[in-house]
Amino acid sequence: GDSVTQMEGPVTLSEEAFLTINCTYTATGYPSLFWYVQYPGEGLQLLLKATKADDKGSNKGFEATYRKETTSFHLEKGSVQVSDSAVYFCALRTSGTYKYIFGTGTRLKVLA
Amino acid sequence: DVKVTQSSRYLVKRTGEKVFLECVQDMDHENMFWYRQDPGLGLRLIYFSYDVKMKEKGDIPEGYSVSREKKERFSLILESASTNQTSMYLCASSRAGRGEQYFGPGTRLTVT
Repeated sequence: GDSVTQMEGPVTLSEEAFLTINCTYTATGYPSLFWYVQYPGEGLQLLLKATKADDKGSNKGFEATYRKETTSFHLEKGSVQVSDSAVYFCALRTSGTYKYIFGTGTRLKVLA
Repeated sequence: DVKVTQSSRYLVKRTGEKVFLECVQDMDHENMFWYRQDPGLGLRLIYFSYDVKMKEKGDIPEGYSVSREKKERFSLILESASTNQTSMYLCASSRAGRGEQYFGPGTRLTVT
């Protein structure tokens, strides 16, 4: 079945460091791909999305490119801030279904 | 802005009690979802609904039921709460055919 694998956390970085959180997927058909962020004590918020191969989603300095050949959707940010400390979830939705498949989440901690 | 609200942020119940968790969305979304979130396990789908009075089981429906009498409201029911149902419960909604889900703030349920 469909699945999402993302890197284990926690990831600890200093402020202004470069961030990469890896995400790979297995899916039948052509999924839409998402990154969600969860701040402490809150629900998930959509961070960015991509709906077809080679699409790049971007928001708040974060980027991710839909790579069909490597079945990946890695999240990147050039310079992280303390306020980016949160849990990040990679997710997919296969066309023609209602279901979303989530990775287990990666906790990011950014130190001042 | 889409708003998804959940009836309680924190709830403490006793084993064997019947528990109702309510979710309301204000954007006329067709699809609504209930997840539980546990450390190390990510989000797991309990039930979803694609229309009023329509529901489908997710990955872990045992011990839960749902009700959707109006389009904007989706209730999760724990018929007889047990300690292994202590968790964070997240409600989400989405348009039919659209990619992203919108999440509520979550209800942290403790069963003692």
